[in-house]
Amino acid sequence: QKEVEQDPGPLSVPEGAIVSLNCTYSNSAFQYFMWYRQYSRKGPELLMYTYSSGNKEDGRFTAQVDKSSKYISLFIRDSQPSDSATYLCAMSEGQLTFGSGTQLTVLP
Amino acid sequence: DTGVSQDPRHKITKRGQNVTFRCDPISEHNRLYWYRQTLGQGPEFLTYFQNEAQLEKSRLLSDRFSAERPKGSFSTLEIQRTEQGDSAMYLCASSLAAQPPGVGEAFFGQGTRLTVV
Repeated sequence: QKEVEQDPGPLSVPEGAIVSLNCTYSNSAFQYFMWYRQYSRKGPELLMYTYSSGNKEDGRFTAQVDKSSKYISLFIRDSQPSDSATYLCAMSEGQLTFGSGTQLTVLP
Repeated sequence: DTGVSQDPRHKITKRGQNVTFRCDPISEHNRLYWYRQTLGQGPEFLTYFQNEAQLEKSRLLSDRFSAERPKGSFSTLEIQRTEQGDSAMYLCASSLAAQPPGVGEAFFGQGTRLTVV
């Protein structure tokens, strides 16, 4: 079993939809949780960064961490075609461990 | 400082040749990480440095791979006797060591895409 599990998708939604992306993990030592967006053939771009359980909001993006369930989520409101990318969850104790990424397509 | 910089962006090499990649982190960041990413997968951890000290290496990092960060600033990753299985995107990231111990916000470069033919 991988330390971090992420549904690879692909996920396709219409413009304006609310998108929910999720990861589960098994290592209780993880303390920092991040979401990255990666466009094709580019490096990952940091979207959200949280420490401990709870919610964090940044514009159309909300990151949610539930350490008791070992479950993290990223919500995208009013999704746009420019949000089409692969979304990677990552978590850390000393170095980053990534999920495999969810490929998202937002259709105009 | 415009972020993490990696050079070259692309490298094509023949099997058996040695290659070296360079990473320049964000200047105030004391941690530097190397990751490898293959198509359809998330980045896999290879190694990381805090200042000039290499603190951890993955089991993925065979004897043919070596990384250095001689002055705690830029880093190099060398692959000796390249194999076709080494073809991947090699990503570098940097961050500030955080309290409690762990990774602070980690920022990635654009990667070096290696193709071994």
